[in-house]
Amino acid sequence: DIQMTQFPSSLSASVGDKVTITCRSSTDISTFLNWYLHRPGEAPKLLIYGASTLQSGVPIRFRGRGSGTDFTLTINSLQPGDFATYYCQQSYSVPLGTFGGGTKVEIK
Amino acid sequence: QVRLVQSGAEVKKPGSSVKVSCKASGGTFSTYPISWVRQAPGRGPEWVGRIVPSLGITHYAQMFQGRVALTADTSTSTAYMELISLNSADTAVYYCARVITGNLFSYYMDVWGEGTTVIVS
Repeated sequence: DIQMTQFPSSLSASVGDKVTITCRSSTDISTFLNWYLHRPGEAPKLLIYGASTLQSGVPIRFRGRGSGTDFTLTINSLQPGDFATYYCQQSYSVPLGTFGGGTKVEIK
Repeated sequence: QVRLVQSGAEVKKPGSSVKVSCKASGGTFSTYPISWVRQAPGRGPEWVGRIVPSLGITHYAQMFQGRVALTADTSTSTAYMELISLNSADTAVYYCARVITGNLFSYYMDVWGEGTTVIVS
């Protein structure tokens, strides 16, 4: 199975900060990588698919980059609603799609 | 805009089974695969399996093979996940999600249910 590793596992930031989350796969997955945001008690929300394509309605302050084994999610100018846990998920192995362990973005 | 509404929380005894429902409204149900994902306390999400409602085709994660069954009723736009032989490690929030597939991006899950908490105790 493809393993997905995210880091950091948590970070503290302030409103307006720029943060970057990294996701690494155990094998080359091309650009078959999705990012989700998850707030406690809510349904997960798709942010980016295909490594860099913004889902409709997602603010442009979210940016995904990468290919192969290394990927990043950057959030420019953090907003209050962005404090949540972020997960990457590989969609290379169909239909099984393993997730990373998550990165919790907390308020500093 | 499609919406997925899941059944309510369940508390189950070890060894028993649970059946969670996921009803779609506001959009086409049968043509999109529905995936099930669970998240246990303190852990990342785990993919459970996927069903194509119109065809009844299912795929299951290896770790759940033989214990999980995904079904769908296209007449009511409802998908179901049944998990048997429950143990404490199955305590988790279970989500259903609509799957969008494509050649350039493989697939992603764009609409999620709100989750169903299953406690095994």
